[in-house]
Amino acid sequence: QAVLTQPASLSASPGASASLTCTLRSGINVGSYRIYWYQQKPGSPPQFLLRYNSDSDKQQGSGVPSRFSGSKDASANAGILLISGLQSEDEADYYCMIWHSSAWVFGGGTKLTVL
Amino acid sequence: QVQLVESGGGVVQPGRSLRLSCAASGFTFSSYGMHWVRQAPGKGLEWMAVISDDGSKKYYADSVKGRFTISRDSPRNTLYLQMNSLRAEDTAVYYCAKETNWNDFDYWGQGTLVTVSS
Repeated sequence: QAVLTQPASLSASPGASASLTCTLRSGINVGSYRIYWYQQKPGSPPQFLLRYNSDSDKQQGSGVPSRFSGSKDASANAGILLISGLQSEDEADYYCMIWHSSAWVFGGGTKLTVL
Repeated sequence: QVQLVESGGGVVQPGRSLRLSCAASGFTFSSYGMHWVRQAPGKGLEWMAVISDDGSKKYYADSVKGRFTISRDSPRNTLYLQMNSLRAEDTAVYYCAKETNWNDFDYWGQGTLVTVSS
């Protein structure tokens, strides 16, 4: 079972909100990890969006709109990237990442379609 | 402004070696950890390796441990990835990335393509 699992795709309408989940493998407690989120558009390198551990321990990437926010769902053992007020430019691949067992691990990524 | 420019990619036969370089500018290179991340065609991101600011600590993904070596030359502001015993599954775009003091990968290069094929 992968360390981080993300849904392969998600669709949402312009102006709506999208909640992208990053589920940690059973036995790995989301409460113990900082979750990092990256956005990648076709043909471009990834861009750092934000880091989230708790409401008192979080960081937005430089120039990243406040429409992007992070949280955790302890009951689901998941990190969440919430994008509100979706815009067409938010259409991209989104990756979560954690530091686990002396290695950085990326989730498989979610392709967000805004239509 | 911060710039990271990868080079050294190309087509290489299975079992051969290749060394990638990442030329850094616009920041104090010796003050930050640096990473290599790869992306196979049409696939997701895969972290490869990290080296600490002073080069004393290195960590690797299991998939490349023992085959790949990360290093840095701070006077030259350059990061390296020595790749040995290359396999077809190593075919990917390889990115270098700078980390912040909080381990955010805040700057990325444009990547260099490595194709392992006979």
